[in-house]
Amino acid sequence: NIVMTQSPKSMSISVGDRVTMNCKASQNVGNNIAWYQQKPGQSPKLLIYYASNRYTGVPDRFTGGGYGTDFTLTINSVQAEDAAFYYCQRIYNSPLTFGSGTKLEIK
Amino acid sequence: QVQLKESGPGLVQPSQTLSLTCTVSGFSLTSNSVSWVRQPPGKGLEWMGAIWSGGSTDYNSALKSRLSISRDTSKSQVFLKMNSLQTEDTAIYFCTRNPRGVMDAWGQGASVTVSS
Repeated sequence: NIVMTQSPKSMSISVGDRVTMNCKASQNVGNNIAWYQQKPGQSPKLLIYYASNRYTGVPDRFTGGGYGTDFTLTINSVQAEDAAFYYCQRIYNSPLTFGSGTKLEIK
Repeated sequence: QVQLKESGPGLVQPSQTLSLTCTVSGFSLTSNSVSWVRQPPGKGLEWMGAIWSGGSTDYNSALKSRLSISRDTSKSQVFLKMNSLQTEDTAIYFCTRNPRGVMDAWGQGASVTVSS
C-alpha cells in the first residue's frame, strides 16, 4: 500500500510570510494528489486537486505543485485564518490514503 | 446545494457493531461515489472505504474484515457497518462525496465513543 509522508509535522509562521509544506508518496502517483485544510472543530475542506488545481473559492495564495512522488503546498502571504492542519491525500485510485498532516501555527 | 449528514449512535459498547447512515442531498448516488473517513481524537484522517457510483466498494485493508459499506439510492443514503468495535475505534466519522477520489464535500461528522 502507498504511504503518504508529510513534513514538517508542524511549523510556526508569521502573518505575511510564505510557507511550503511537503508530501512524499512511497510510489509514483502521477498528479493524483489532493490537499485539504482542517480547522479545529471543523470538517476538512478541499484546497487543491490533481496536484495543482485550486478548488472553487480557494484563495490564490494557495498553490500546489509536484508530480510523481514529491508534492508541495505553498501559501503565499500567510493570513491568520490559515492556521490549521493540512493533509495531502492520494486520489483517483484506491486506497485513498491520507498523509499524517502538517500543523500550521501563526505567530 | 450538495450536503451530506451523518447519523448514528454516539456510544457503542466494545465488541458491538457500529451502524452509521450518511444522508445526502443535492447530488445522485448513482453518478457520484461516497467515502467514509474517520478521525480519532487528536489524530489525523483515515480513509475507511468507498462505494463507487456503480455500486462497487473498496475498503482500507486494515479494516476490510470488519467493515461493510452499502447504499439505498432511492433514499439517497449510504450505510457503514463495522463490527467488533474496540476503544481505538472511538473517532469522528465523516462521509464525503468523492468524485474520482477527490473529497469535495464533507458531512459535519458523527462522534462515536466506544465504551462500556
